[in-house]
Amino acid sequence: DAKTTQPNSMESNEEEPVHLPCNHSTISGTDYIHWYRQLPSQGPEYVIHGLTSNVNNRMASLAIAEDRKSSTLILHRATLRDAAVYYCIRRGNNAGNMLTFGGGTRLMVKP
Amino acid sequence: DAGVIQSPRHEVTEMGQEVTLRCKPISGHDYLFWYRQTMMRGLELLIYFNNNVPIDDSGMPEDRFSAKMPNASFSTLKIQPSEPRDSAVYFCASSLRGQSLAYFGEGSWLTVV
Repeated sequence: DAKTTQPNSMESNEEEPVHLPCNHSTISGTDYIHWYRQLPSQGPEYVIHGLTSNVNNRMASLAIAEDRKSSTLILHRATLRDAAVYYCIRRGNNAGNMLTFGGGTRLMVKP
Repeated sequence: DAGVIQSPRHEVTEMGQEVTLRCKPISGHDYLFWYRQTMMRGLELLIYFNNNVPIDDSGMPEDRFSAKMPNASFSTLKIQPSEPRDSAVYFCASSLRGQSLAYFGEGSWLTVV
């Protein structure tokens, strides 16, 4: 049970921002929110993670709602290479480093 | 640094044969995970190890599946006997306690005919 809810698919135009939503309404206070993505024919790769504050890195930004029941992964300028399945994952503090994947959102990027 | 290395990348085998998938984690990582991915079930955690010791194998589908980690740099996932429903992509991942990232290999694509 991944305990997160994401849309099955989204479309974006190249060079436009993309906002990928995730609901995690039952998140506990110590759960981190992780995002991974899986490019075609590859293994998942880490994108970003956060606990309470918004986070930025070279790949994306993560906006976390004040009540922590939802979050949004932001790709500032989508490229064709960003077409992938994006997974939003809750990771408890006491579960080692175990990741439980849900269905994810398939992002399609149109040129 | 080399990432997680899996072998073989592709394998086609006949039903009933033994299949062994191999994984070399990133040097120094103390967690190792085996996942299976199918269209129907998505990515499922099969088993994970910490410091070479199996911690949770509740995702292993049945007795035909077994996994070992004889040392910190090598793990195997064995299926014996294999069945067509075992056809999937098997991923190995490793991570280091205290870090949030898990690094995945490129996967072993298994087809059982």
